[in-house]
Amino acid sequence: SQTIHQWPATLVQPVGSPLSLECTVEGTSNPNLYWYRQAAGRGLQLLFYSVGIGQISSEVPQNLSASRPQDRQFILSSKKLLLSDSGFYLCAWSTRTGTNSPLHFGNGTRLTVT
Amino acid sequence: AQKITQTQPGMFVQEKEAVTLDCTYDTSDQSYGLFWYKQPSSGEMIFLIYQGSYDEQNATEGRYSLNFQKARKSANLVISASQLGDSAMYFCAMPRDGGATNKLIFGTGTLLAVQP
Repeated sequence: SQTIHQWPATLVQPVGSPLSLECTVEGTSNPNLYWYRQAAGRGLQLLFYSVGIGQISSEVPQNLSASRPQDRQFILSSKKLLLSDSGFYLCAWSTRTGTNSPLHFGNGTRLTVT
Repeated sequence: AQKITQTQPGMFVQEKEAVTLDCTYDTSDQSYGLFWYKQPSSGEMIFLIYQGSYDEQNATEGRYSLNFQKARKSANLVISASQLGDSAMYFCAMPRDGGATNKLIFGTGTLLAVQP
């Protein structure tokens, strides 16, 4: 069966520090991968979308970047964090075939920028 | 552009009763899908149920069912026989690009509290 791992679970970082969140998927090949952010008490906002290694689509202007160095690995990064980067970050995967296949989410990373 | 609206910020239900969580959507596409997710306080997003716009029957998954009214553009989630573990945020979602991709847009969610 497929599983998705996301770490760390929580992170407290000072403003201006770098960020690296990692997500890996097991049990499937060539997944679509996603990074979402959820502000406190709000819905989810799509940040990045990837259909393959090195193929990243940025969905909103922001201070963050994403990379996909391997088929089942998705990394969210920042060189210098802003206070506004605080939030709950969720990685997700879906199958490539079937545009109405659901997204499967990791457990999320709660980031607090101080 | 697609849009999802959930007008109930919070709902209460007594244990063992049924509850309906509202979701309306806006799209100009003929073919689309609607998803419901559950987010417990721990944070993970759990996929519950899916309804395709051309599905003839309303979707059901165990105690979850969708009251899909295409003409009204509504896809309400019905939870039967509520349990304490059903207390969570519930999000309605649909593909942003008319189903051309899996990119989902989400409503603002409904916080459900099940009371003993």
